[in-house]
Amino acid sequence: GAGVSQSPSNKVTEKGKDVELRCDPISGHTALYWYRQSLGQGLEFLIYFQGNSAPDKSGLPSDRFSAERTGGSVSTLTIQRTQQEDSAVYLCASSLALAGGSIQYFGAGTRLSVL
Amino acid sequence: RKEVEQDPGPFNVPEGATVAFNCTYSNSASQSFFWYRQDCRKEPKLLMSVYSSGNEDGRFTAQLNRASQYISLLIRDSKLSDSATYLCVVNGPGRRALTFGSGTRLQVQP
Repeated sequence: GAGVSQSPSNKVTEKGKDVELRCDPISGHTALYWYRQSLGQGLEFLIYFQGNSAPDKSGLPSDRFSAERTGGSVSTLTIQRTQQEDSAVYLCASSLALAGGSIQYFGAGTRLSVL
Repeated sequence: RKEVEQDPGPFNVPEGATVAFNCTYSNSASQSFFWYRQDCRKEPKLLMSVYSSGNEDGRFTAQLNRASQYISLLIRDSKLSDSATYLCVVNGPGRRALTFGSGTRLQVQP
């Protein structure tokens, strides 16, 4: 497809389980971002990848969160030992370049519910 | 202080009304500014970029005031389909991601 693709669209898990969320960016986009959005709240930056550079992990809320991007394309966000406060929509975005002014295009998100 | 601040609203306006949203940002070195639109339970989508000289796209007009560090969005002749949350977004030097405001909710009523 032409847009950013995320899977699964919905994920329900039990507290303490690990989850993996996947993002497939727009082809040719070198920058990839993960955000999360809690109900009724704004977007919270989590992590960003640009080409082969080390990712900017400054937004990850705890060491239970990690992400990788393989081959400069698909990315997975992993949350270990999920907690109820991890429940949110996790949004992935990609853009052509890092430089200021690069428009980010979002996927439809993964709605995570931790019971 | 939040990096990007917006009035959460909601703004309830009748069809055909003109409505304006403001947004303030804290980083005076910020260089790029956008308005995104987010429909309920959907992902954000770019509405328009904001240029220093101001810019218009149909019924939408965006303005930037660097001296006061605020951005505005004006919507003329509001339509029911304009009902959404409008996110003010800033991308500055040294930042590797867009900083989003919490959004202003608009509800256009018949």
